[in-house]
Amino acid sequence: DGGITQSPKYLFRKEGQNVTLSCEQNLNHDAMYWYRQDPGQGLRLIYYSQIVNDFQKGDIAEGYSVSREKKESFPLTVTSAQKNPTAFYLCASSIGKSRSYEQYFGPGTRLTVT
Amino acid sequence: AQSVTQLDSQVPVFEEAPVELRCNYSSSVSVYLFWYVQYPNQGLQLLLKYLSGSTLVKGINGFEAEFNKSQTSFHLRKPSVHISDTAEYFCAVSENSGYALNFGKGTSLLVTP
Repeated sequence: DGGITQSPKYLFRKEGQNVTLSCEQNLNHDAMYWYRQDPGQGLRLIYYSQIVNDFQKGDIAEGYSVSREKKESFPLTVTSAQKNPTAFYLCASSIGKSRSYEQYFGPGTRLTVT
Repeated sequence: AQSVTQLDSQVPVFEEAPVELRCNYSSSVSVYLFWYVQYPNQGLQLLLKYLSGSTLVKGINGFEAEFNKSQTSFHLRKPSVHISDTAEYFCAVSENSGYALNFGKGTSLLVTP
């Protein structure tokens, strides 16, 4: 079955540590996205990538970094510079260059930093 | 710039009753509109989308939505809800600037017996 895999489902880290969240898709989609979800805040875009080796900042990119070395993979690193990293992180993908294409979401990773 | 407003943060409803979840958007250009559902601790699943054509859009699980351009609204409706419809519902808008979606803050639908 095609879909998006995010691992792990739950992640715990100490403050000051960088952490990388995995996102893999086998849908052959060109575009991939990272969102952050906080209670009552909806989804906010962190980064997105339209093609391999290219990505753009979203609305809340500060304290995060990404890479897109392969079409299937779009890992997100939460750095120690992110002031409030505890949140639910969602990865998504879409076919590509049309705003009419729906986004498909992974199951999410819940990150807790203490 | 566009924004999406979901007018109700929580909607309690009894099983088998009808429900409407409201969504308004602001945009100066044409838009595409989406409704997603999120069950606890899961990702989002597409319920339906409006791209063009008929303003009444039917989706999965018996949901439908109506696009009203003059009122810039895209309200989601279901004539008879089930306990299993209890979830968070998100309205989203895509503008001509690119690929990303702008999401509303969500409406929590709670269906009780």
